[in-house]
Amino acid sequence: AQRVTQPEKLLSVFKGAPVELKCNYSYSGSPELFWYVQYSRQRLQLLLRHISRESIKGFTADLNKGETSFHLKKPFAQEEDSAMYYCALRSDTGRRALTFGSGTRLQVQP
Amino acid sequence: DTAVSQTPKYLVTQMGNDKSIKCEQNLGHDTMYWYKQDSKKFLKIMFSYNNKELIINETVPNRFSPKSPDKAHLNLHINSLELGDSAVYFCASSHQRGYEQYFGPGTRLTVT
Repeated sequence: AQRVTQPEKLLSVFKGAPVELKCNYSYSGSPELFWYVQYSRQRLQLLLRHISRESIKGFTADLNKGETSFHLKKPFAQEEDSAMYYCALRSDTGRRALTFGSGTRLQVQP
Repeated sequence: DTAVSQTPKYLVTQMGNDKSIKCEQNLGHDTMYWYKQDSKKFLKIMFSYNNKELIINETVPNRFSPKSPDKAHLNLHINSLELGDSAVYFCASSHQRGYEQYFGPGTRLTVT
């Protein structure tokens, strides 16, 4: 069975501080990992995925298969980064639905 | 142009009633999903349809019945509503082979 764990419910940092949102997964195959974000009063949207290895809004995430982690990082947090962040996994076969972690609320204080 | 839309946005109803939530996407996707977000913000897949065919049916009560009249629509009907059904229900769509899912704005269901 596949599982995604986000250990922090809430992460509060000051503007300009580095941010790391943790995500660990368990899956026996080769998963696809994603980060989705939900800003206040907006719909859930894709932030980035591990395959693209890109930086979106200053965020990056590296898939570490040895540690089965996909942590989301940003060197300098901005107030507009405040949102709910979900790590998600999709299996490489069969079902295409996402398995989500429980989410981490990021609060960036001025 | 709304990509994935849901109606209604808010739904307040009493226990025992039957209600439906509708979802429509205009992205030309062939796969649609229903997710449930509980009070702790935990998101969980409920159903998925591909080309009007049910492909994922998670462990949800039989009171929940999805219906897909065509590829662009996926409705969720709930019978005999219970207090525990109160949640935000999200519809999403994607290409079957695509990687990104597009989410609707959610329907906040409150059962009193």
